[in-house]
Amino acid sequence: DVKVTQSSRYLVKRTGEKVFLECVQDMDHENMFWYRQDPGLGLRLIYFSYDVKMKEKGDIPEGYSVSREKKERFSLILESASTNQTSMYLCVVGYTFGSGTRLTVV
Amino acid sequence: GIQVEQSPPDLILQEGANSTLRCNFSDSVNNLQWFHQNPWGQLINLFYIPSGTKQNGRLSATTVATERYSLLYISSSQTTDSGVYFCAVERGATNKLIFGTGTLLAVQP
Repeated sequence: DVKVTQSSRYLVKRTGEKVFLECVQDMDHENMFWYRQDPGLGLRLIYFSYDVKMKEKGDIPEGYSVSREKKERFSLILESASTNQTSMYLCVVGYTFGSGTRLTVV
Repeated sequence: GIQVEQSPPDLILQEGANSTLRCNFSDSVNNLQWFHQNPWGQLINLFYIPSGTKQNGRLSATTVATERYSLLYISSSQTTDSGVYFCAVERGATNKLIFGTGTLLAVQP
């Protein structure tokens, strides 16, 4: 089974900061996804990638961008963090979830 | 787009009780999965079940694709079953999952 590692478990950032969330897999899966989870809203897809240097917008891409320079790493970027981006961020490879990053923007 | 609805939204059980969680979806799908999110936030895949019935210990799941619903059964519940249960559907072989809003289960000793 693939192992999905998210670099930070908890993160606190200030409004306006540029934030990088990293996701790394230990196999050769092509499909990688970023979701955010909010109470009452379930999990919503932000961006996904089916290959290196390839990216597709999900349902809520506004305020985010992504980078996939190597197959094993998929980064989610908050260009200018805002308080409404306070959330749990989950990386998925195939159908395997990382442990999540709980981001608080103050 | 496709809608995924789960019921009930919240459920409190006494240890040892049985329960049924439901997932309705609004269009045909290629795949349906059930996930459990533990109180620390980790999501674990329970079942890959586009149709039919599967069992794994005290858990079982049934999907009736023609009627667009799936059921997750938990028997003899334990406190470790607590958490949020999500169903997610997929159209096409994309791994792109559409999630329901989940059922929050609390099992009390």
